[in-house]
Amino acid sequence: DTAVSQTPKYLVTQMGNDKSIKCEQNLGHDTMYWYKQDSKKFLKIMFSYNNKELIINETVPNRFSPKSPDKAHLNLHINSLELGDSAVYFCASSNQGVPSQPQHFGDGTRLSIL
Amino acid sequence: DAKTTQPTSMDCAEGRAANLPCNHSTISGNEYVYWYRQIHSQGPQYIIHGLKNNETNEMASLIITEDRKSSTLILPHATLRDTAVYYCIVRVYNTDKLIFGTGTRLQVFP
Repeated sequence: DTAVSQTPKYLVTQMGNDKSIKCEQNLGHDTMYWYKQDSKKFLKIMFSYNNKELIINETVPNRFSPKSPDKAHLNLHINSLELGDSAVYFCASSNQGVPSQPQHFGDGTRLSIL
Repeated sequence: DAKTTQPTSMDCAEGRAANLPCNHSTISGNEYVYWYRQIHSQGPQYIIHGLKNNETNEMASLIITEDRKSSTLILPHATLRDTAVYYCIVRVYNTDKLIFGTGTRLQVFP
């Protein structure tokens, strides 16, 4: 069974559109994350949510908004998509405040903006 | 910024041990060292982590120097499927942030 699953795997859309990426984890973790990996392969954290509360919010444009309906789900909404948003987005999960516990990642969503 | 520095790339013959070094000279006493790898743009895969002691699991061994300023990930018998980018990460104390650097691209050849 997949521990952290993301949908869709690929997303191709036009500039200016609004899109969402979904993430679900079945590991019973209380914290979920979104990371972005750009074309140069740099992987950078964007957000983290713990029990539906925003914990980490890096310098990310307001067009990006995470939404967590419950602790097993963390969706990423992106408004007014721009060319620079093209990247691979990874979801991850772990338990908060347990530095000895690793984060587990999904397989990513490749977003391409035309 | 990442608190680690790693060589850009390394090669290893199949069946031999792969030793991947990492420098983290500014690590704090309560910060963990984590290793992940990423195979061909898949999601980062957790390998191993440690604080002070050396660690071993079914995938690899982690050797941390006594002063904790550097560590080495050891894949005891590298296979072609171990070809990947390996990231050494210092987990920021008191947060859940993982700050990825540029990693080491390990190429295992037959």
